[in-house]
Amino acid sequence: NAGVMQNPRHLVRRRGQEARLRCSPMKGHSHVYWYRQLPEEGLKFMVYLQKENIIDESGMPKERFSAEFPKEGPSILRIQQVVRGDSAAYFCASSPRTMNTEAFFGQGTRLTVV
Amino acid sequence: AQSVTQLGSHVSVSEGALVLLRCNYSSSVPPYLFWYVQYPNQGLQLLLKYTSAATLVKGINGFEAEFKKSETSFHLTKPSAHMRDAAEYFCAVSGSQGGSEKLVFGKGTKLTVNP
Repeated sequence: NAGVMQNPRHLVRRRGQEARLRCSPMKGHSHVYWYRQLPEEGLKFMVYLQKENIIDESGMPKERFSAEFPKEGPSILRIQQVVRGDSAAYFCASSPRTMNTEAFFGQGTRLTVV
Repeated sequence: AQSVTQLGSHVSVSEGALVLLRCNYSSSVPPYLFWYVQYPNQGLQLLLKYTSAATLVKGINGFEAEFKKSETSFHLTKPSAHMRDAAEYFCAVSGSQGGSEKLVFGKGTKLTVNP
């Protein structure tokens, strides 16, 4: 059973471009969480999704950021018009039921905005 | 609101010495508590979790943690450090609030193990 797969592992974007980060949860997992890690900081919650539904987006910036988890295919975190401050590691986690059971993290996508 | 404080952003021990990483939490609901380890350029791996069963929780790689409600603490220990334990460790709290069990992380503690 493959783990949580994130791609790409590294992504470089120029200011103003769009960044698309993908996360394929573990087989059988229908809960997906996105977190952002800034240097010298812990992980900060961004958004929690179940298939075709956004459950909690309280950690998402109001502008330029969006997330989806379609019925088929991976979850996508999209950042439009990236700025230098968006440079960070973005981690996806999946769980079969709730985070309180057990969540498995992917290896992250490291976004660099130049 | 929930929060986690990890005391000490850097901890250095000698190989074979006791490892103690401190974590204090704040939660308005019965908490679930977790310790994760992150190796350089890797994702997070679960070391152990507390989910209101036994207060002393044993995890992987010889780590354990004790939940102390009176002290709102969940410190991570290992009797004897090994070189491979050098990594960053994150304490996290979760609890069902409004249907979302998101994790709230501390800022992390980098553990260095000296030969």
